Formats: sequence, structure tokens, C-alpha cells
Amino acid sequence: EAGVAQSPRYKIIEKRQSVAFWCNPISGHATLYWYQQILGQGPKLLIQFQNNGVVDDSQLPKDRFSAERLKGVDSTLKIQPAKLEDSAVYLCASSLFNRREGGTIRIYYEQYFGPGTRLTVT
Amino acid sequence: QKEVEQDPGPLSVPEGAIVSLNCTYSNSAFQYFMWYRQYSRKGPELLMYTYSSGNKEDGRFTAQVDKSSKYISLFIRDSQPSDSATYLCAMTPIGNTGFQKLVFGTGTRLLVSP
Repeated sequence: EAGVAQSPRYKIIEKRQSVAFWCNPISGHATLYWYQQILGQGPKLLIQFQNNGVVDDSQLPKDRFSAERLKGVDSTLKIQPAKLEDSAVYLCASSLFNRREGGTIRIYYEQYFGPGTRLTVT
Repeated sequence: QKEVEQDPGPLSVPEGAIVSLNCTYSNSAFQYFMWYRQYSRKGPELLMYTYSSGNKEDGRFTAQVDKSSKYISLFIRDSQPSDSATYLCAMTPIGNTGFQKLVFGTGTRLLVSP
């Protein structure tokens, strides 16, 4: 089973420029997440999609960050304009969400991460 | 106070040692617990998950949960240099919707020397 794919792996831009990241989740995973991980910290959720709808974007800086998941599969995260403090690793993760197993529905909380995109803003 | 506390380390041990990695949490609603391993310049890799108090074993790894103390641990037996990485704990409440957000610790950096 192929894992979560992300591109690019590295990106260096100047402040005030724009940048976009791409994510392809594990096949069949309905839920997709974008996280920001600053050096020495745990991942911080930016936005969560269920299929192509937004479930939680409460921590997304909407004045400069945007994300979309058209057709409920791939997703892109954009920053425009970038600031120095946006330097971080941007991680995409996916989760199965739920599946019927026998007579019950099992909810899946486990998330599977891609390799991340390391963004440096100069 | 952070919802999840984790000592950042680094924790340095010799090869073959038993390693204990720990997290404490303050939110009693957390019921589902995960451990991730993150190598340098890589994404987090899911190691283990559990929602029960007590121990869960998988090879050299044992996850332990004590909900009464709000304390979780990951034990690594016979540690290897390849175990050198950052270990992140993560947790979430359990609900019917499945939309619960994972809350991560800051990660503990482990160094296993040959």
C-alpha cells in the first residue's frame, strides 16, 4: 500500500512570496490533515478535511493560508504572502475515518503521515 | 499548562538498554493514545496505538497507559542505534464522529550509542 505522498520535499522562498504544497493521501482515506511542525515541537493541526469538506480550520491563519481538497482526494496548501515565522515542516496526514466491520462501525483515529515539506522563508 | 507534557531530552542510552519514554496529560477526555517515531527529516511514523489502560506489546515495544494518573509510557527493549529518533506521543478523545483532533507532545529525542 502506497503511503502519503507530498511534494515538494524542500522549498526556499523570500518573505512576501507565495508557495504551494501538494498532498496525495493513502488510497481510500476519507480524512486528510495538514500540520505545521516547527523545529523542536510536535505537529500542530492547521486544517482537517473530511472528503472534500472542511471539518476544522480553527488554527489556520486564514489571512495568508488557504487549503483545498477538490474531488476529495489530493489537497493543496498555499501560503500567500509568506512570513519568516512560516519556516517549518508542513506535514500531510490521512486517516481511514470509519469502516463497517461486521455489525458495527469502527472509527479509526490513527493518522498516517507523509514525509513533509521543509519550508525556509528568508 | 500544556494539555500534553513530554520531556524533550535528549535521552542518551547505550545499545541494549531498556528505554522508557513518557508523557503526562491533563485532559481526562483523552482516551486514545498513540506513539509516533520521527527520524530526522522524515514524517512521523505510527508505532503503536491503544485505548485501554494497561500494557500493549509489539515486538521490542510496549505501550503502557495509566488513565488514573494521566500518564503513558513507551518502553523499548534491547535498544538499537537504529532506534535513535524523536518519539512523539499523541492522544485524542473517543467519540462517535471520529473528528477528534490529535494533540501531540513536543517529542523526546532518543540517542542510542553503539
